[in-house]
This record gives sequence, C-alpha cells and structure tokens, in this order.
Amino acid sequence: NAGVTQTPKFRILKIGQSMTLQCTQDMNHNYMYWYRQDPGMGLKLIYYSVGAGITDKGEVPNGYNVSRSTTEDFPLRLELAAPSQTSVYFCASRLTGTGISYGYTFGSGTRLTVV
Amino acid sequence: EDKVVQSPLSLVVHEGDTVTLNCSYEVTNFRSLLWYKQEKKAPTFLFMLTSSGIEKKSGRLSSILDKKELFSILNITATQTGDSAVYLCAAIPEGGNTPLVFGKGTRLSVIA
Repeated sequence: NAGVTQTPKFRILKIGQSMTLQCTQDMNHNYMYWYRQDPGMGLKLIYYSVGAGITDKGEVPNGYNVSRSTTEDFPLRLELAAPSQTSVYFCASRLTGTGISYGYTFGSGTRLTVV
Repeated sequence: EDKVVQSPLSLVVHEGDTVTLNCSYEVTNFRSLLWYKQEKKAPTFLFMLTSSGIEKKSGRLSSILDKKELFSILNITATQTGDSAVYLCAAIPEGGNTPLVFGKGTRLSVIA
C-alpha cells in the first residue's frame, strides 16, 4: 500500500517555465489537497478536490491550476513559474463520508526552487 | 474565519525536560483536532482528539482536548533530541466538506 505518492521530489525551474507536480493515492480517498509550505511557515492550502471532476480554490490559488479526472490522481500545474513559488509542496488525501472524517495522509513533498 | 493558533511558535529545551505545546481553535462546527509531527519531510500523524477530557497517550507523548475552552495541549515528557521537530495542530470541521484548518506550528528544539 503506497499511500500518497508525489513526484518529483526535487525540481529547479527557471522563471517563466511550466511544470506539473504529480500526486497519486491508492487508498480510494475521496478528498485530495495541495499545500505549500514556505520555510519556517505553516501549511497554506492551494487547491482541493472533493471527488473526481470537482476542484475548489484554497487560500493561495494564484499561479496554479489543478484537475481531478480520476479518484487517484490530482496533479498541480504551475504555468509561469515565479520565484515566489519557491516552496515545498505537499499533496494530501483524506477519507470522508457520513460519520467519517479522518485526518490527512500526506505525500513526502516536492521541493521546488524557481531561479 | 476559522483559525487555529499555536503557541509558542518556537521552543528550545534541554534533554530530559518536559514541554507543553498549546493549540487553541475557533472553527465553525468543530469535530476533531489532530496533532502532527513534522521533521524534515511530510507531517506524520500523532493523535486525533474528538472527545473532551480524554487523554490520549503514546509513549512519552500525550494530548488532551478541552472543547469548552476550545484548546488542546500536547505534552512531551523526558524529551530527547529526536523529539526536535515542528508540531502542527489542525482542526477538522464537521461534515468533511471543509479542509482542515492548520496552525502555523511550534518548532521544538531539544539540545543535549
């Protein structure tokens, strides 16, 4: 059982480049999330999804896009990378339902540097 | 606006000390509270607290929730250098449609 898998683990981008951070989970969790964590700071929610085909903005969505075509995958797209997007990105998933509201399972993170 | 506030933001202690980390919350339709430990990578789950006044324990770590006063504490006794980490507190709203609300974390440094 792999849990939540994020790729790549590290990436350096030049300003203006684009990339997709991949996230996949094999636990059949309905909810998935993308957070960024800047050095010494807490987690900030970028986007989340409550199920395939449904996404919603979080606290800091500007500069990012997401899609959720399957339950398992929730990729995060950066279109025009900026230095302000240098951060560690965490994907997480969660099982919720009537009477169920478990905590998150986190991926291991992607460290992105934009230069 | 829902919020979770942790204190202190950082703490330095010596090995063997006992520490108490605080977490207060203001969350609409609060259901449960989570504690995570984050070392260099992803946060790892420590405790989920749903009922008030019931202590959860795991080795030297323990935690309790007070739903009347809207706070939780995480205690670590006989601290070790391996306890050095950021400890995150997060609130789960009822219903599950709303994402968890995270605090900024407490950075604990345990020195030998």
